[in-house]
Amino acid sequence: NAGVTQTPKFRVLKTGQSMTLLCAQDMNHEYMYWYRQDPGMGLRLIHYSVGEGTTAKGEVPDGYNVSRLKKQNFLLGLESAAPSQTSVYFCASRGRDGELFFGEGSRLTVL
Amino acid sequence: LAKTTQPISMDSYEGQEVNITCSHNNIATNDYITWYQQFPSQGPRFIIQGYKTKVTNEVASLFIPADRKSSTLSLPRVSLSDTAVYYCLVGDLMNTGFQKLVFGTGTRLLVSP
Repeated sequence: NAGVTQTPKFRVLKTGQSMTLLCAQDMNHEYMYWYRQDPGMGLRLIHYSVGEGTTAKGEVPDGYNVSRLKKQNFLLGLESAAPSQTSVYFCASRGRDGELFFGEGSRLTVL
Repeated sequence: LAKTTQPISMDSYEGQEVNITCSHNNIATNDYITWYQQFPSQGPRFIIQGYKTKVTNEVASLFIPADRKSSTLSLPRVSLSDTAVYYCLVGDLMNTGFQKLVFGTGTRLLVSP
């Protein structure tokens, strides 16, 4: 049972480039979340989804887009990367009992 | 969504009991309280969850007073491996609707020999 898998684990971008982070879960969870964590800081919610085809904005949505075309996948896109988006990105899914399951993180550096 | 306040950091020694308190003054009737642990370079992982009074599992206890405006995570006999950041999360986790799950700043626990 893989749980929550994030791809890629590391990526370096140049300013202005675009990329997509993939989050996949195999627990049949409805709810999925994307957080970012800057060095020494807490988790900040970017976007989230309560089911296939739905998305909603979190605390810091600007500069990011998301899609949930399939229940098991939640994609986070950066259309034009900026150095301020250098961070570690965590995806999480939540079951009906409320427990969040996190992926291992995707470390993104924007030069 | 209930805002949470925790101490930024705490220090302890191996073998001691550690109590981390989280304040959530505007907790709603349907909100649950959940604690997560995060090690460096890893995603947070679930520790314990409760609604009221006391909850205990194999790793921790959670104490919630009657007014539910705060909660205390208790870690018995900590070891060096308990050095981590601990987050308190408050929300209506059973809600099937849109639910932002916003983490607070967390408490950085350092356990020394």
